Amino acid sequence: QKEVEQNSGPLSVPEGAIASLNCTYSDRGSQSFFWYRQYSGKSPELIMSIYSNGDKEDGRFTAQLNKASQYVSLLIRDSQPSDSATYLCAVTLGGNTGKLIFGQGTTLQVKP
Amino acid sequence: KAGVTQTPRYLIKTRGQQVTLSCSPISGHRSVSWYQQTPGQGLQFLFEYFSETQRNKGNFPGRFSGRQFSNSRSEMNVSTLELGDSALYLCASSADHPFNEKLFFGSGTQLSVL
Repeated sequence: QKEVEQNSGPLSVPEGAIASLNCTYSDRGSQSFFWYRQYSGKSPELIMSIYSNGDKEDGRFTAQLNKASQYVSLLIRDSQPSDSATYLCAVTLGGNTGKLIFGQGTTLQVKP
Repeated sequence: KAGVTQTPRYLIKTRGQQVTLSCSPISGHRSVSWYQQTPGQGLQFLFEYFSETQRNKGNFPGRFSGRQFSNSRSEMNVSTLELGDSALYLCASSADHPFNEKLFFGSGTQLSVL
């Protein structure tokens, strides 16, 4: 089992729809969870962080965490073509100063 | 503030050679992490340095090594290069206050092994 798993996609949604991206992780003791966005040919950039169970909203983005199910998700409301990118889930394994492990990433395509 | 700087941007080597990549973190950041990115494997964790000490290590062979200097600049070295080492090597720095809350990535070094 991979430490952080994501469906590679591509996930295709029409403009204005909600995009839902999912991630599972193996380390039950993980405390820190992140979503990074990577445009083609660019480096990853952080868009959301979440540490507690529940939802965290930031603009059009909502991160959801369920530690009991070892599951993290990212919702993008009112998806725009500019949201087309690869979304990487990252989890800190082995405590908060542990290594940050990334999933394979999910490619999102938003069609006008 | 200047961002994370990686040099060189591109590198071409042949099998069996060794290579050294350099990373200058954002001023004030004490944690530097290295990742290998390939289309098939995604972003894979190599190692992380904090205050000149290797704090975390990934599952790469001993040919991959790194170090961090007192000014937080970091280098990684790959000895006896193999074709499979061709990849984008990304360095990321973090303020580590109180922990690696946010990584800032450099533009990477694209290594091609022929």
